[in-house]
Amino acid sequence: DAKTTQPPSMDCAEGRAANLPCNHSTISGNEYVYWYRQIHSQGPQYIIHGLKNNETNEMASLIITEDRKSSTLILPHATLRDTAVYYCIVRVARGNKLVFGAGTILRVKS
Amino acid sequence: EAGVAQSPRYKIIEKRQSVAFWCNPISGHATLYWYQQILGQGPKLLIQFQNNGVVDDSQLPKDRFSAERLKGVDSTLKIQPAKLEDSAVYLCASSLHAGASSGANVLTFGAGSRLTVL
Repeated sequence: DAKTTQPPSMDCAEGRAANLPCNHSTISGNEYVYWYRQIHSQGPQYIIHGLKNNETNEMASLIITEDRKSSTLILPHATLRDTAVYYCIVRVARGNKLVFGAGTILRVKS
Repeated sequence: EAGVAQSPRYKIIEKRQSVAFWCNPISGHATLYWYQQILGQGPKLLIQFQNNGVVDDSQLPKDRFSAERLKGVDSTLKIQPAKLEDSAVYLCASSLHAGASSGANVLTFGAGSRLTVL
C-alpha cells in the first residue's frame, strides 16, 4: 500500500480556509486518495475521495496534482468544530483496505 | 440511516482477564472491519470480513484475539487473555462491499469501544 506523509499539526483561524497537504509519491495508477477526519472521542468520519480529478462536496475540496504524487484538502471556511485529526489515505481499489497514518492535527482558533 | 453500533463504550479489566466487543454494522453492508487505535496513533486494521468470511486478518494477534461474524451481520471481537498493551479504542466500521467501484466503498465507523487494561 502506498504511504502518505502529512505534517503533524497545523493551525487555522476561524473563518479562513484550511489547506491540509499530503504527499503520496509512491501512489499507483489505480489507487484512490481518501480523506477522513476524527474528532475527539469519535470514530473517523469520511470527508472526500478522488483518483485523478479534483473533487468537491459539501464538506471540502480535494486538489490532486497532475502527477498524483500529492494532494491538498481544503476546508473553505473553517469553524471551531473542524478541529480534528485529518487522515490522508491511499486506498488500493482491490480489497478496500484503509491503512491510516498518524494524520494532521488541525486546530481552528477563534 | 442508522449508523454503526458498538458496545460497550467503555470497559476496564485486569490483565489476563477476557473481554468481548460487539458491533452491528449498517444494514446491507457486506464488509465489516475491526480497527485498534492506541492513544496518539492512527487506527490499525485488525481484521476485515466480507459477509461472514475473513478477507484479511494479517495483523490480528491470533494467540489472544479472535473475531467472528457468524451470520454475516453482527460481529464480536474477543481478547483473551488481555495484556496491558491492549489498552486502546476498538473501532468497528462497515462498507457496502469491497469491490473495485470507488463510490460504494466508503467506510462508516462506529464511535468505538475504549478498553483499559490495568
